[in-house]
Amino acid sequence: EVQLVESGGDLVQPGGSLRLSCEASGFTLGYNFISWVRQAPGKGLEWVSVFYSGGGTYYADSVKGRFTISRDNSKNTVYLQMNRLRVEDTALYFCARDVASRGLGCFDLWGRGTRVTVSS
Amino acid sequence: IVLTQSPDFQSVTPKEKVTITCRASQDIGSSLHWYQQKPDQSPKLLIKYSSESVSGVPSRFSGRGSGTDFTLTINSPEAEDAATYYCHQSSSVPLTFGGGTKVEIK
Repeated sequence: EVQLVESGGDLVQPGGSLRLSCEASGFTLGYNFISWVRQAPGKGLEWVSVFYSGGGTYYADSVKGRFTISRDNSKNTVYLQMNRLRVEDTALYFCARDVASRGLGCFDLWGRGTRVTVSS
Repeated sequence: IVLTQSPDFQSVTPKEKVTITCRASQDIGSSLHWYQQKPDQSPKLLIKYSSESVSGVPSRFSGRGSGTDFTLTINSPEAEDAATYYCHQSSSVPLTFGGGTKVEIK
């Protein structure tokens, strides 16, 4: 079955760190662009970061310098290392696939999300 | 690129049509996509590149537009279409989403 499964979400104190994982099955993750998208409680969707198939990365200004996206092809997994977490990072974090047939495009496959709560 | 969706909320009967607009702060060509999200579910791709259909999505969903102004239409909506709808631009990073439109089917 083609799917993305996120894990690693937890309750963490402000200033703490977490690493989220996004494991793909049924397809080779490295041939696609993979983004992290988050949704704060009761709010809309916010794009966080992308890992391009060629290895490049990009971040939203709100997380630049604190979050790092990476990929392990042997595990068919993309990671999001989240450091110096803030209360406003509290959200459900989704990973999503962009098949990138025409460069950056739409997200045709989403995981179910993993919840991150930043609170003292 | 800022995407401004309107309205924030729309309540319609199954005999009416749902129309949601998404305005981009600059020209994004046709790099505009629409998603449906139901409570406690992940977003689902409905329309890609402004007007292209997505496999498995009912034909009552359609999109149009280019440049800065885009529209999602749901003809003869059904009860299962009650959800929040988001537009998304992939013209340039940072990628952005519209604020969402909640649709209620009376």
